[in-house]
Amino acid sequence: GENVEQHPSTLSVQEGDSAVIKCTYSDSASNYFPWYKQELGKRPQLIIDIRSNVGEKKDQRIAVTLNKTAKHFSLHITETQPEDSAVYFCAAMETSYDKVIFGPGTSLSVIP
Amino acid sequence: EADIYQTPRYLVIGTGKKITLECSQTMGHDKMYWYQQDPGMELHLIHYSYGVNSTEKGDLSSESTVSRIRTEHFPLTLESARPSHTSQYLCASSEQGAGEKLFFGSGTQLSVL
Repeated sequence: GENVEQHPSTLSVQEGDSAVIKCTYSDSASNYFPWYKQELGKRPQLIIDIRSNVGEKKDQRIAVTLNKTAKHFSLHITETQPEDSAVYFCAAMETSYDKVIFGPGTSLSVIP
Repeated sequence: EADIYQTPRYLVIGTGKKITLECSQTMGHDKMYWYQQDPGMELHLIHYSYGVNSTEKGDLSSESTVSRIRTEHFPLTLESARPSHTSQYLCASSEQGAGEKLFFGSGTQLSVL
C-alpha cells in the first residue's frame, strides 16, 4: 500500500519568511496529492491540491510542486503570517482505491 | 447548513464498556472515512465506505467496527473499550469520484479509564 513520508516534523520561521514542507510517496500509481491544514483544536481543512498531470499549482501565497519521476511533492508558503501556524499534512491518493493516505504532519510555527 | 457532524465531542468511559461514536453528513456524499489521530499527530485511516452496505478496513488495524445502512450515517463501535483506544476519532466524507476534497467532522475525543 501507499506510504507517505513528510519532512520536517517541526518548522519555525520568522514572519515574512518562506516555509517549505517536503513529502515523498511510495506508490507510483498515486495521482492526487492534497495538503491539509489543521489549526490547534480544529478539524483538518484542505488548502491546496495537485493532480499528477500538473507539475505546479499556486493559490495566492501557497504553491505546490510535484515531481512524479522522483515521487515527491512540496508545499511552499511565502510571506508567512502568524495565522499560518498550524500542523500541515500532505497526502497521496491512488484514485482507483479511493483511499487518502496522510503523511505524519509538520508543525509550523510563525514567529511574529 | 450542509456539514458533517460528530457526537459526542468528548467521551470519558470505563474499561470494558461498549461505545458508539456517531457521524452524520448532510452533503449527500457517498464516501465516508474514519481516521484515528493522537493530538497533533498523524491521521491513521481505520475504516472507509464507498456507499450504503460498503465497508472496508483501513491501513491501521483497529478493534472497532463500522456500519453503513444509510448514506448519511457512518457510526463506529467499540465492543469493549480499553485504555489503548484513548485517542481522537475524526470522521470525514467526500464526493464520489477521483481525488475529491475530504470534509472532516470536529472529532470525538475518547478517553478510556
